[in-house]
Amino acid sequence: DQQVKQNSPSLSVQEGRISILNCDYTNSMFDYFLWYKKYPAEGPTFLISISSIKDKNEDGRFTVFLNKSAKHLSLHIVPSQPGDSAVYFCAASEGDFGNEKLTFGTGTRLTIIP
Amino acid sequence: EPEVTQTPSHQVTQMGQEVILRCVPISNHLYFYWYRQILGQKVEFLVSFYNNEISEKSEIFDDQFSVERPDGSNFTLKIRSTKLEDSAMYFCASSDEATQYFGPGTRLLVL
Repeated sequence: DQQVKQNSPSLSVQEGRISILNCDYTNSMFDYFLWYKKYPAEGPTFLISISSIKDKNEDGRFTVFLNKSAKHLSLHIVPSQPGDSAVYFCAASEGDFGNEKLTFGTGTRLTIIP
Repeated sequence: EPEVTQTPSHQVTQMGQEVILRCVPISNHLYFYWYRQILGQKVEFLVSFYNNEISEKSEIFDDQFSVERPDGSNFTLKIRSTKLEDSAMYFCASSDEATQYFGPGTRLLVL
């Protein structure tokens, strides 16, 4: 049951350029979306979130865009840095906030090339 | 910065044995969760806990699983009789209503 999909298992980007990670969802009840970063042998680390009432949220180098009609969100990282190399997970919740169960995508492994 | 902690970091057990995974959530959080990630698969929700009771559980969370908040700081996941397919990373999370913060995980290996 692939309610949240990240179709690119991996992405390589040159240091200093923009990284764009994509996520699609099928459940129209999802109202809150989050991006997490994960290093090997660690837990997911929260990056940024967005409510369905917005179409953009920005925090430093990270910006999340939500296109609710297309059921698509993306995470932009600019400029990309070597420390950004990790697996990035998109997650979605049916609640207004992130305190309800999260449904995760399969992740995209981002590699930043120095 | 406050963080979620989990013990042990690794646990090896024999099939049929009971295991207890422990978590200390962030102190002022009220919502607690367990997720797991089987190797090569996505992170999956197991259970959420609020106000001293289960608020939601997935179909994975069958009678072999239980959760408890035995005191004001710990949150535990018990698997009564482990199966080979319970081998996974188990993540605890806690929430301040807006965001779930995850612990580093316990790697459980069932032999």
